[in-house]
Amino acid sequence: NAGVTQTPKFQVLKTGQSMTLQCAQDMNHEYMSWYRQDPGMGLRLIHYSVGAGITDQGEVPNGYNVSRSTTEDFPLRLLSAAPSQTSVYFCASSRRNHYEQYFGPGTRLTVT
Amino acid sequence: GNSVTQMEGPVTLSEEAFLTINCTYTATGYPSLFWYVQYPGEGLQLLLKATKADDKGSNKGFEATYRKETTSFHLEKGSVQVSDSAVYFCALSMEYGNKLVFGAGTILRVKS
Repeated sequence: NAGVTQTPKFQVLKTGQSMTLQCAQDMNHEYMSWYRQDPGMGLRLIHYSVGAGITDQGEVPNGYNVSRSTTEDFPLRLLSAAPSQTSVYFCASSRRNHYEQYFGPGTRLTVT
Repeated sequence: GNSVTQMEGPVTLSEEAFLTINCTYTATGYPSLFWYVQYPGEGLQLLLKATKADDKGSNKGFEATYRKETTSFHLEKGSVQVSDSAVYFCALSMEYGNKLVFGAGTILRVKS
């Protein structure tokens, strides 16, 4: 099992550009989430999905879109990047009604 | 809303010293509580959890007890090693382990 994989590892964008952060898991987990990690603030939930075709907003969803067309994949789209979106992004997955989330290695995004 | 507060770091200890990292929470209802660890350059891993009051979670020599009366979940280890150097996050969830609310994280540095 590869677990949770994320691409790219690093990305630099200019303000106003768009991009998609990729996330995939091979554990057949129903639940997938995106978090952002900022210094002094821990991780905050952006969007989550309880299964294919179902997504919902977390604590900080503005400026981000998600979709879940398959169980395996949960991409995060930045529509028009802003410097405030400079952060480290983590994708996570878990089995429904289980306690452990499995995190990917993260994507470090810088918006200039 | 729900929130988690944990002691600021960095915490610097010598090898074999005793470790305590304080964590308190605010929640409506009865959350599950977690400690996640992040080693340099990696994603988060679940270290231990407790799902109801007075439960003790333990793993790799680390322990934490769910104290409802003080709304606390302090992390302890009797003898730290250099390999324990990492960032430790306290978190809560109202939905098993999903939609986690994280504290800011505490950097632990262990010197040999």
